[in-house]
Amino acid sequence: DTGVSQNPRHKITKRGQNVTFRCDPISEHNRLYWYRQTLGQGPEFLTYFQNEAQLEKSRLLSDRFSAERPKGSFSTLEIQRTEQGDSAMYLCASTVAIDGYTFGSGTRLTVV
Amino acid sequence: GDSVTQMEGPVTLSEEAFLTINCTYTATGYPSLFWYVQYPGEGLQLLLKATKADDKGSNKGFEATYRKETTSFHLEKGSVQVSDSAVYFCALSDHAGGYQKVTFGTGTKLQVIP
Repeated sequence: DTGVSQNPRHKITKRGQNVTFRCDPISEHNRLYWYRQTLGQGPEFLTYFQNEAQLEKSRLLSDRFSAERPKGSFSTLEIQRTEQGDSAMYLCASTVAIDGYTFGSGTRLTVV
Repeated sequence: GDSVTQMEGPVTLSEEAFLTINCTYTATGYPSLFWYVQYPGEGLQLLLKATKADDKGSNKGFEATYRKETTSFHLEKGSVQVSDSAVYFCALSDHAGGYQKVTFGTGTKLQVIP
């Protein structure tokens, strides 16, 4: 296992289109997190899964955002009707205990 | 709510200089504290951590001590290298709710020149 994998690395989309990102966590990690990072800022929490259950969603996650983690393995983050303000780096992280996250390399979204 | 404040960058140092990046936090509970590093074009990597007061986290020559009395977790390195150029994030995890939600600072960019 080589760590947390995120795809795609980069995504350019037109405003109003839908996009979906995928995260494959470390296989034995039951906790999975999505964060968003804008230029010059630290990552901001979006949502958290323990196994397949989505246990918390940030107020940053508007109705246009949805995340799933079927069968407690990989996770997807979908953004519907993208807006220019959605342009950011979307980071996925996983962990198994209170021990610090392992982050993926992120998906950079550019909405034009 | 929880928050992390770290010194603004960029910080520019010559190779072999001493590094300090200040970090203070506000938390309602008794958090764990972390430093993460982000190299250009990459995701964040855990650099070091401390889980209780007076603990010292260390890795790759970097150190930080959990100071509960001053609510601080300053990052230090005795002799920086060009390869240390990156963005450094101070962070805390609040164990309330039974999971490990992490709150990050805004990051401090370090540039080391030869």
